[in-house]
Amino acid sequence: TQLLEQSPQFLSIQEGENLTVYCNSSSVFSSLQWYRQEPGEGPVLLVTVVTGGEVKKLKRLTFQFGDARKDSSLHITAAQPGDTGLYLCAGLRRGSARQLTFGSGTQLTVLP
Amino acid sequence: NAGVTQTPKFQVLKTGQSMTLQCAQDMNHNSMYWYRQDPGMGLRLIYYSASEGTTDKGEVPNGYNVSRLNKREFSLRLESAAPSQTSVYFCASSEVIYGYTFGSGTRLTVV
Repeated sequence: TQLLEQSPQFLSIQEGENLTVYCNSSSVFSSLQWYRQEPGEGPVLLVTVVTGGEVKKLKRLTFQFGDARKDSSLHITAAQPGDTGLYLCAGLRRGSARQLTFGSGTQLTVLP
Repeated sequence: NAGVTQTPKFQVLKTGQSMTLQCAQDMNHNSMYWYRQDPGMGLRLIYYSASEGTTDKGEVPNGYNVSRLNKREFSLRLESAAPSQTSVYFCASSEVIYGYTFGSGTRLTVV
């Protein structure tokens, strides 16, 4: 059983559409991070959210941390083919000695 | 370029063979980690080192050993490889809790 559940697992959309990826857990996290991974490469950090209810924007990407710090979402506006990749959420639990727990990922494909 | 360097990038082993995966970071980070990535499983922590001279087990340590050689280098050893250890292995480092820097991975196949 994954501590962090991501949905959907796969998403294929047309260029210009909007989408939302969800990351849910029954555990409370002190912080949550989102990474994007391209084929043959390691994950690259996009954002870290720390405060419950926090919203961060990175160009067309909007990240939200749930009020209870158990869930997060990633919204992409007007998706572009360059957004294609595996999106991973990762949470840090209190007292976990800096160990990140990763979700299983959402594979996003944006078709031109 | 600053970052995390992993070697080798690809490796094929026969069951029972041993090998060491190398990792080095040049960002002066205290903490280093080894993860494995399998389809549909996300990344799972094998071992980590919070600082030079310390190592601790993660979620899936069985069949692996690690060495924190110095602040820069953290190696992962498979003593007797098994097909279940076929995976992509990532090394990462961090200084503060707010982000990891990953290497580009080692793709290991055990036949």
